[in-house]
Amino acid sequence: GDSVTQMEGPVTLSEEAFLTINCTYTATGYPSLFWYVQYPGEGLQLLLKATKADDKGSNKGFEATYRKETTSFHLEKGSVQVSDSAVYFCALSGSDYKLSFGAGTTVTVRA
Amino acid sequence: NAGVTQTPKFQVLKTGQSMTLQCAQDMNHEYMSWYRQDPGMGLRLIHYSVGAGITDQGEVPNGYNVSRSTTEDFPLRLLSAAPSQTSVYFCASRPSQGARNQPQHFGDGTRLSIL
Repeated sequence: GDSVTQMEGPVTLSEEAFLTINCTYTATGYPSLFWYVQYPGEGLQLLLKATKADDKGSNKGFEATYRKETTSFHLEKGSVQVSDSAVYFCALSGSDYKLSFGAGTTVTVRA
Repeated sequence: NAGVTQTPKFQVLKTGQSMTLQCAQDMNHEYMSWYRQDPGMGLRLIHYSVGAGITDQGEVPNGYNVSRSTTEDFPLRLLSAAPSQTSVYFCASRPSQGARNQPQHFGDGTRLSIL
């Protein structure tokens, strides 16, 4: 079945540092890929998405590119802020229309 | 813009008790789902519904029951609570099952503790 593997945390960074969270997937066909973010005490919010190979999703300074050849969808941000502290989930929606999540990566940004 | 509303936000139960977690959405979405979030395991699908009157099992359905009598509401019932059901529960919706390019909208969650 479909599955998502993402870099486990926790990740601790200083403000203005570069952030990368690795995400790889296994799926048949051409899944849609998502990054969700969960701030403390809240539900999940969509951060960005990509629906076909070589698409780049971007939002709030975060970017991720759908790489079919490496089955990856790594999340990057060039300069993080304290307000980026959250749990980040990689997810895919595949041929069964269900959403499969990675384990989540906790990111803490220190001032 | 209410979106997806879950109640209660917090609940403590004793083993063997039953309860219903409420979920309502005001976006006229056909597809609704319930997940549980456990540390290190991401979110796992419990049950889902593709429209009123239609429900199906997800990855971890045992111990839970659902029904969908209206488009708006999708309650999750714990039949006889067990400590293993201690978790954070999220309800989510999207326009339709086939709209897999569309993101799901999540509620704020219900934090449930079973003693």
